[in-house]
Amino acid sequence: GQQVMQIPQYQHVQEGEDFTTYCNSSTTLSNIQWYKQRPGGHPVFLIQLVKSGEVKKQKRLTFQFGEAKKNSSLHITATQTTDVGTYFCAGFTGTASKLTFGTGTRLQVTL
Amino acid sequence: DAGITQSPRHKVTETGTPVTLRCHQTENHRYMYWYRQDPGHGLRLIHYSYGVKDTDKGEVSDGYSVSRSKTEDFLLTLESATSSQTSVYFCATGGALLANEQFFGPGTRLTVL
Repeated sequence: GQQVMQIPQYQHVQEGEDFTTYCNSSTTLSNIQWYKQRPGGHPVFLIQLVKSGEVKKQKRLTFQFGEAKKNSSLHITATQTTDVGTYFCAGFTGTASKLTFGTGTRLQVTL
Repeated sequence: DAGITQSPRHKVTETGTPVTLRCHQTENHRYMYWYRQDPGHGLRLIHYSYGVKDTDKGEVSDGYSVSRSKTEDFLLTLESATSSQTSVYFCATGGALLANEQFFGPGTRLTVL
């Protein structure tokens, strides 16, 4: 079945450093979504990418969808303590008709 | 956040007992989902519903059943709970299309002793 892998599993940065998480799918995706889950909270939708090579920005967050629509990345510039949490990608394929979540990357930010 | 509530929020039960978790939404969303979240596995889909009385299996559906008799309610039942079903369970809803963004409830922490 479809698999979505994320790396790294965990990253610890100092406030102000950049952070990137990568998402790779075993199959071509129709779209990819990104979610953030704060410690003790529930996942919250951040963004959806649909087009090959698409790049979207939300303030300090930059999301990319690969040309082959099998990978994606989330880059955070100048991290802040409010960025702490686990970031999940989730890929959708028309054939599977289900959203498959990646394993997540847990980000810890210290002062 | 969408109006999604889950009950109970915490439950401790014993192996072999039946357990029902409830998800209630006020957004009139068509799609509803049940996920479980375990360390190292992310979120895994158990079952989902695409309308009243219309449900389908996810990737980890064994040992679980669901029912949706009203648009706003989606029930998850563990017929005979096992320790491997100790997890955090999230309900989510989605809009008109299956590929749309999902809105998550606050979660239910279930412990099976």
